[in-house]
Amino acid sequence: GNSVTQMEGPVTLSEEAFLTINCTYTATGYPSLFWYVQYPGEGLQLLLKATKADDKGSNKGFEATYRKETTSFHLEKGSVQVSDSAVYFCALRSAGFQKLVFGTGTRLLVSP
Amino acid sequence: DSGVTQTPKHLITATGQRVTLRCSPRSGDLSVYWYQQSLDQGLQFLIQYYNGEERAKGNILERFSAQQFPDLHSELNLSSLELGDSALYFCASSVEPRGTEAFFGQGTRLTVV
Repeated sequence: GNSVTQMEGPVTLSEEAFLTINCTYTATGYPSLFWYVQYPGEGLQLLLKATKADDKGSNKGFEATYRKETTSFHLEKGSVQVSDSAVYFCALRSAGFQKLVFGTGTRLLVSP
Repeated sequence: DSGVTQTPKHLITATGQRVTLRCSPRSGDLSVYWYQQSLDQGLQFLIQYYNGEERAKGNILERFSAQQFPDLHSELNLSSLELGDSALYFCASSVEPRGTEAFFGQGTRLTVV
């Protein structure tokens, strides 16, 4: 079945450091890929998405590229801020299916 | 603010009881999804409704049921509650049944004691 694997957290960085959160997936066909972010005490917010191979999703300085050859969708940001501290979820939706399949989430802690 | 409203925000109840969680989707969205977020299971899809009809079913227990009303709001009913049902329950909505973007509410935190 479809599944998403994310790196274990927490990821602890200093402000202005480079961020990478790894995400790989298993799916039939050509899924759409998403990164969601959950700030403390809040719901999930869509951060970025990519719907086909080689697409790059970007938002708020975050980027992720849909790599079909490596079945990956790694999240990157060049310079993190304290306000980026949150839990990040990688997710996929297979063509023909309505539901999102989520990874386990990666907690990011950014210190000043 | 995603535009998806969930009530109540917090709920504490005893084992064996029944509760109802409510979700109002974004204006114009016809599709509603329910997800459960727990420490051991992560984020799991429960069920989807589209324009009043059940569209897809995930890992939803028989003790749980849902419905979507003509005004498009949805309710998730949880009965014979067990300690393990304690979780954060999210509702999400999208315009189409296979909408590429789903907007999530802030969730209802259910604690079963």
